[in-house]
Amino acid sequence: DIQMTQSPSSLSASVGDRVTITCRAGQSISSYLNWYQHKPGNAPKLLISAGSSLQSGVPSRFSGSGSGTDFTLTISSLQPEDLATYYCQQSYSSRWTFGQGTKVEI
Amino acid sequence: QVQVMQSGAEVKKPGASLRISCKASGYTFADSYIHWVRQAPGQGLEWMGAIYPGDHSTNYAQKLVGRVTLTTDTSTTTVYMELNSLTLEDTAVYFCARESNYGGADYWGQGTPVTVTS
Repeated sequence: DIQMTQSPSSLSASVGDRVTITCRAGQSISSYLNWYQHKPGNAPKLLISAGSSLQSGVPSRFSGSGSGTDFTLTISSLQPEDLATYYCQQSYSSRWTFGQGTKVEI
Repeated sequence: QVQVMQSGAEVKKPGASLRISCKASGYTFADSYIHWVRQAPGQGLEWMGAIYPGDHSTNYAQKLVGRVTLTTDTSTTTVYMELNSLTLEDTAVYFCARESNYGGADYWGQGTPVTVTS
């Protein structure tokens, strides 16, 4: 299975801060990388697919970049409602794998 | 509109089997994979497996091969996840989700809490 490693595992930031989360794949996955936001008690929400494609309805402060093995999720101006855990997930392999998550605290 | 609805909470004893249903609607059921993901208390998301209703083909996480089985009933647009030989470590919230045509899972069920307790 393809291992996905996120960093940091948690972070604390202020409203308005720029936040960056990184995800590294154990092998090249081209752009088959997706990002999710997960709030307690809810289902995960797909934010970005194929490395950088913003899902419909997702605020433009979220962006994704990268290809190959190194990827980044950026929140340009952190908002209170962004309190959540963020996961990367590869769909290069038919056996999906998730990163361990990054908990964002405000 | 696309909807994904799961069956309700379950309480099981160690060694028992679990079956959760996932009914999808609002799109062509045969054309999209349905994935299963679980989250144990205090842990991250764990991919369990996927099924393609169009041809019933399946993929499973290596650690669950032999214990998990995904099936589909195309007449009712429902996918079933069966997990046997339950242990305390199978206590989790189980989600099903539709795979998007552009990558990732775009529509998710509400989650089914499962507690395994003696």
